[in-house]
Amino acid sequence: EAAVTQSPRNKVAVTGGKVTLSCNQTNNHNNMYWYRQDTGHGLRLIHYSYGAGSTEKGDIPDGYKASRPSQENFSLILELATPSQTSVYFCASGGDWGGNSYEQYFGPGTRLTVL
Amino acid sequence: SQWGEENLQALSIQEGEDVTMNCSYKTYTTVVHWYRQDSGRGPALIILIRSNEREKRSGRLRATLDTSSQSSSLSITAAQCEDTAVYFCATDSNYQLIWGSGTKLIIKP
Repeated sequence: EAAVTQSPRNKVAVTGGKVTLSCNQTNNHNNMYWYRQDTGHGLRLIHYSYGAGSTEKGDIPDGYKASRPSQENFSLILELATPSQTSVYFCASGGDWGGNSYEQYFGPGTRLTVL
Repeated sequence: SQWGEENLQALSIQEGEDVTMNCSYKTYTTVVHWYRQDSGRGPALIILIRSNEREKRSGRLRATLDTSSQSSSLSITAAQCEDTAVYFCATDSNYQLIWGSGTKLIIKP
């Protein structure tokens, strides 16, 4: 069974509307991440979290909010969606940064279209 | 940017050939990750090489790391159609992963 799930998998929203993307992980990882991936480009970090109740800004946080109500759940919120936020969004979880590094485990992605 | 190239690179080879993908990075890192992303799915780690390793092998995959030139490579031996995917390199920076723009690898039968 998938350890990181996202919902919805596809979403069409209208400009100015509110969008909430949800992520759930069963890896019991402290760290969770939200990325966006635009066609032909790599992943860009939007927000991340070190644990329940914490959220941190990534490289491109403008226009996005995040919420981490529990160890398992991490949401990305677009209060006023704009067409420039049309993209594929990935959630990931990862363990603590002990030692040298660690692996991130990704969900299947959410394709968001803002009209 | 952490990485030299900003746009997705594309590479197309015949099945059975060997292929090497390269990444260069700008800031210090202790580890280089290589992830693979299949169409319609999230990335998945395929090999990780640390700064005290010059080479790491996993099956048909071989990763190298040259800290003096701040570059890493991923080689696939005898590529198969199922190796078709986008391959990303990523480095550690401030407890985050910094991602390259990726190489789209297409293996033709």
